[in-house]
Amino acid sequence: GDSVTQMEGPVTLSEEAFLTINCTYTATGYPSLFWYVQYPGEGLQLLLKATKADDKGSNKGFEATYRKETTSFHLEKGSVQVSDSAVYFCALRPSGNTPLVFGKGTRLSVIA
Amino acid sequence: GAVVSQHPSWVICKSGTSVKIECRSLDFQATTMFWYRQFPKQSLMLMATSNEGSKATYEQGVEKDKFLINHASLTLSTLTVTSAHPEDSSFYICSARGSDRGHSPLHFGNGTRLTVT
Repeated sequence: GDSVTQMEGPVTLSEEAFLTINCTYTATGYPSLFWYVQYPGEGLQLLLKATKADDKGSNKGFEATYRKETTSFHLEKGSVQVSDSAVYFCALRPSGNTPLVFGKGTRLSVIA
Repeated sequence: GAVVSQHPSWVICKSGTSVKIECRSLDFQATTMFWYRQFPKQSLMLMATSNEGSKATYEQGVEKDKFLINHASLTLSTLTVTSAHPEDSSFYICSARGSDRGHSPLHFGNGTRLTVT
């Protein structure tokens, strides 16, 4: 079945460091790919998405490119801030109105 | 922006009692709601999909008689954990989508942490 694998955390970085959180997926067909973020005490929020191969999603300085050849959707940010500390979830949606399939989440801690 | 309110945010109950978790869409009509469960250090696992006015569709391995889902209106879905046991302790989170099937974004509640003693 469809699945998402993302790097295990926690990830601890200093402020202004470069961030990469790896995400790979297994799916039939052409899924849409998402990154969700969960800040402390809050619900999940959509961070960015890509709906087809080679699309790049971006938001708040974060980017991820839909790579069909490597079945990956790695999350990157050039310079992290303390406020980026959160749990990040990679997810896919197989098609249409189907529910999301999530990775396990990666906790990011950014220290000043 | 669209908001999903989930209540309560945390609850502690005794083994054998039932707990109801509410999920409300505050400024849009949610034709579809999903209920997820998250165990520590594991991914969000889909429990069931509910469409307003119809019975919920449960994922394999989820006991429908234990996890009762009601989606009686376009703004409210409830999950009732019946006869709770310590192994039901987990983080439950709902998500809701508007009426534009597959195209409108998914909005999440803040989640409910259930502890059964």
